[in-house]
Amino acid sequence: EGQLQESGGGVVQPGGSLRLSCVVSGFTFDEYAMHWVRQVPGKGLEWVSGISWDSGTWGYGDFVKGRFTVSRDNGKNSLYLEMNSLRLEDTALYYCVTTGLSVADAFDLWGRGTAVIVSS
Amino acid sequence: DIQMTQSPSTLSASVGDRVAITCRASQNINNFLAWYQQKPGRAPKLLISRASALESGVPSRFSGSGSGTEFTLTISGLHPDDFATYYCQNYGSYSYTFGQGTKLEIK
Repeated sequence: EGQLQESGGGVVQPGGSLRLSCVVSGFTFDEYAMHWVRQVPGKGLEWVSGISWDSGTWGYGDFVKGRFTVSRDNGKNSLYLEMNSLRLEDTALYYCVTTGLSVADAFDLWGRGTAVIVSS
Repeated sequence: DIQMTQSPSTLSASVGDRVAITCRASQNINNFLAWYQQKPGRAPKLLISRASALESGVPSRFSGSGSGTEFTLTISGLHPDDFATYYCQNYGSYSYTFGQGTKLEIK
């Protein structure tokens, strides 16, 4: 069964930057679309960003406004999210997820998440 | 943007009960609707995709129905393990919107 392991979260000041990583095992990473989803503790779920299997297409939630960049390295079975100009409201648990072969599908496999805390 | 509205926000029920959670989309989303279950401290788990397709390993007491703008998740015969928060989600190409969640509590 596939596994996704996020890392890179931490505490950062407003305006700062972080780079999240997700390493995947147990499935053919370079065939799968990948995404980041976040959740404020005790609150709902929000899609952050996604990227196709070949990095040919990608997208972001409206709130990103050019601050985040998603990328992947199929040779390393890894997904990344570069986050800049972080705001207090970006504080959340960030999950790495996959939609399988298609970008436009349900999120069928989730990591355990990495916590991002933006605080002064 | 498509909005997804779940009701109720909280649902109290007993083991063995049959319960239904409704999800309404602000526009026609055909059957691009998924349901997730989330327990405290855990990642969400996909239960149903394409409005009614049960994921492998999900108990048959879970079922989904609907199309267009109105969808329902039904749990027939609640087990103790089913008390959790449930989310609906519309999905499309780089457009994914979740409902606000329904917390299913033990009465």
